[in-house]
Amino acid sequence: GESVGLHLPTLSVQEGDNSIINCAYSNSASDYFIWYKQESGKGPQFIIDIRSNMDKRQGQRVTVLLNKTVKHLSLQIAATQPGDSAVYFCAENQAAGNKLTFGGGTRVLVKP
Amino acid sequence: EADIYQTPRYLVIGTGKKITLECSQTMGHDKMYWYQQDPGMELHLIHYSYGVNSTEKGDLSSESTVSRIRTEHFPLTLESARPSHTSQYLCASSAGFSNQPQHFGDGTRLSIL
Repeated sequence: GESVGLHLPTLSVQEGDNSIINCAYSNSASDYFIWYKQESGKGPQFIIDIRSNMDKRQGQRVTVLLNKTVKHLSLQIAATQPGDSAVYFCAENQAAGNKLTFGGGTRVLVKP
Repeated sequence: EADIYQTPRYLVIGTGKKITLECSQTMGHDKMYWYQQDPGMELHLIHYSYGVNSTEKGDLSSESTVSRIRTEHFPLTLESARPSHTSQYLCASSAGFSNQPQHFGDGTRLSIL
């Protein structure tokens, strides 16, 4: 989703529930997508990636889904934990050469 | 865990000063990048390099300059800092193959008075 100034879209989730973060990407020619997690005062941390020849990829507690028809990417976090509280960014590689374009972030707040 | 380091972590400095932000990586990555990020906002690419002696401007216009004399080192310089340069600057690197994730440092938070 898009951020509006300092007012990031926020997802509040109960600890132990599943989280779904959505991202609309802009370029139908993009062939590689990444989800990053950014905690306060730190740089973005790689979570999971997916290439355009796939529609689903799973990692540890995370799943990324890619729907090329509607240019939509989602990140699912299973059994959300307090340590998952952060801002999450999606990024797309629009052309050869590993130049990433980042979307606006989504803040995830995990309630105990 | 990626090994990419940025110094200083925080810098508060007066207008007109020359500033160099340091970025080093120990992974032997060919590609390196500089991004600018304002609080709560997305990252914008300002410079990138695909190898030694290669530098290109990114999507967001910036008055900063970069150099790549060694593979592991990609410093960013502002010749004369202004308040409009106040932001967070993030450095990243990736392997030379296509479709590889970029690994980020923890950034330099720059404040120009």
